[in-house]
Amino acid sequence: SQQGEEDPQALSIQEGENATMNCSYKTSINNLQWYRQNSGRGLVHLILIRSNEREKHSGRLRVTLDTSKKSSSLLITASRAADTASYFCATDASGNMLTFGGGTRLMVKP
Amino acid sequence: GAVVSQHPSRVICKSGTSVKIECRSLDFQATTMFWYRQFPKQSLMLMATSNEGSKATYEQGVEKDKFLINHASLTLSTLTVTSAHPEDSSFYICSSGGGGKETQYFGPGTRLLVL
Repeated sequence: SQQGEEDPQALSIQEGENATMNCSYKTSINNLQWYRQNSGRGLVHLILIRSNEREKHSGRLRVTLDTSKKSSSLLITASRAADTASYFCATDASGNMLTFGGGTRLMVKP
Repeated sequence: GAVVSQHPSRVICKSGTSVKIECRSLDFQATTMFWYRQFPKQSLMLMATSNEGSKATYEQGVEKDKFLINHASLTLSTLTVTSAHPEDSSFYICSSGGGGKETQYFGPGTRLLVL
């Protein structure tokens, strides 16, 4: 079953703008991960944030985690058309098993 | 990251036939492999966890006799959809994990269409 929700479900922005996606979950976690999926493809791991971390950066990606609110956000700065994809958060509550959120479909217009 | 392959990438079959999907971990020994199903515009739903050398653990609502999983080696897990029906049409994705790795490495997926 899905762990939580992502919002927005769909997001359309212009190239150069920032994109923010949010993820909420329900149970305690070991870590939370963000993945990207291009249409009809497999998932690509973007970033992992552990339960004792609050913020993490990787290139143009910034992830925050608030365990008190059971929520996370993914910020993509200076977006590019190539960032167009679906983005999923996934929580690892135990044993490396991931539970995925519903995903956000991001479209970046050139 | 690790490389995971799936074969075939796309398969069309007639209702009632069985389809086997292979998932290979190419550059590390995956003690655990996961099988997911994804319907159009939806998220990934975990079907089962496959452990090398032991029986797979199925999620609630997934029929183990319909979705046969074999994980005979540290680099290969197979999912066989038996007596496939149109409602089994979906995108099936495997991932490799275990071995102390926190992240999973996903295969490119197999799109199954049952006519």
